[in-house]
Amino acid sequence: DVQMTQSPSAMSASVGDRVTITCRASQDISKYLSWFQQKPGKVPQRLIFATSSLQGGVPSRFSGSGSGTEFTLTISSLQPEDFATYYCLQYYNYPYAFGQGTKLEIK
Amino acid sequence: EVELLESGGGLVQPGGSLRLSCVASGFTFSSQPMDWVRQAPGKGLEWVSTINKSGAITYYVDSVKGRFTISRDNSKNTLYLQMNGLRDEDTAIYYCARIGVVDFWGQGTLVTVSP
Repeated sequence: DVQMTQSPSAMSASVGDRVTITCRASQDISKYLSWFQQKPGKVPQRLIFATSSLQGGVPSRFSGSGSGTEFTLTISSLQPEDFATYYCLQYYNYPYAFGQGTKLEIK
Repeated sequence: EVELLESGGGLVQPGGSLRLSCVASGFTFSSQPMDWVRQAPGKGLEWVSTINKSGAITYYVDSVKGRFTISRDNSKNTLYLQMNGLRDEDTAIYYCARIGVVDFWGQGTLVTVSP
């Protein structure tokens, strides 16, 4: 089974900062990785699919990169509405697996 | 517009059973595999199960194998999750979803396992 290791588990940052979150897969998952944003009490929202494709309606300050086993989500300039928890998801094979999550808090 | 509407959650004692349902609309249900994803209170997302388009192939996370059964009725555009032998650690919001290549989520239904 593919294990996803997401880091950091939590971080604090300021509005305008550039932020990077990383997910590492225990084996090659090609490009089959998505990123989600979840705010308290809300359904997760997909930001990125297929490693680097931006979901419709998602601001361009969000970007994804990587391949194989290492992937990153970058927020180029944090906005107040970006403070949330972020998850990666591998959908290369079953069982699918989410990362443990990264809680992004205001500094 | 895609809509996934879950029902069937509630309070159940350890060892008990519940059946979750999810009625889909706004897309061709029979053309999509479907998933259940859960989230325990204050915890992260966990993929639980997937069923293929016809219902012939299913997948489960190890922690629910032998206790949960995913099924579907394409004539009713409905996805199910039969949960038996429920444990405290199964307490979570259960989302009906299609994740991966496409991305659809319901609003979730809360399952609470408690004496």
